[in-house]
Amino acid sequence: QVQLVQSGAEVKKPGASVRVSCKASGYTFSVYYIYWVRQVPGQGLEWMGRINCNSGGTNYAQKFQGRVTMTRDTSINTAYMELSRLTSDDTAVYYCARLQQNWFDSWGQGTLVTVSS
Amino acid sequence: QSALTQPASVSGSPGQSITISCTGTSSDVGAYNYVSWYQQYPGKAPKLIIYEVSNRPSGVSNRFSGSKSGNTASLTISGLQAEDEADYSCSSYTSSIILFGTGTKVTVL
Repeated sequence: QVQLVQSGAEVKKPGASVRVSCKASGYTFSVYYIYWVRQVPGQGLEWMGRINCNSGGTNYAQKFQGRVTMTRDTSINTAYMELSRLTSDDTAVYYCARLQQNWFDSWGQGTLVTVSS
Repeated sequence: QSALTQPASVSGSPGQSITISCTGTSSDVGAYNYVSWYQQYPGKAPKLIIYEVSNRPSGVSNRFSGSKSGNTASLTISGLQAEDEADYSCSSYTSSIILFGTGTKVTVL
């Protein structure tokens, strides 16, 4: 079955960077886009960007342009999201999700990133 | 682009029906039938319950139904059950961009 397994929780200081991984299994990795979505505690879901797991091409939400980098390693079926210049406002749960045409049919379990001095 | 607008909370008694609205614009919700709905329990990842406005994935209860009129999509839960108490979010896909709704907490009284 399709599975997306994310890396564990992180605690970072303001100004640092964080990298979250998302390992896919149960399907052909390069056929689908992986999207990254975050959820600040008590708030709604927020789209951050996406990566074409075949070409490596990316599209980022305007809000995160210049601060986010999404990559993938097809040899190990893993997508990565790196967010730099962290502030307390970046404290959130970060999800990866597989796009099936125009909906998300599979989600990672989420990675809590806490930014605190 | 702004988030889609949902009511913050909706409640109902067991067995009742409730409807959650999701309002966007003619550029997103109103433009295509690319509206999906997700159910999320506290501390868990979202789960797809409706895609392309009104389609249910395999395994999702037929008590969940979706519709759309103009720039507003709706999720109806009929025969409300205790297990339906969760957060629900809509989303709209337009040219690679995803917009999510503000989220609705459903409470079963």
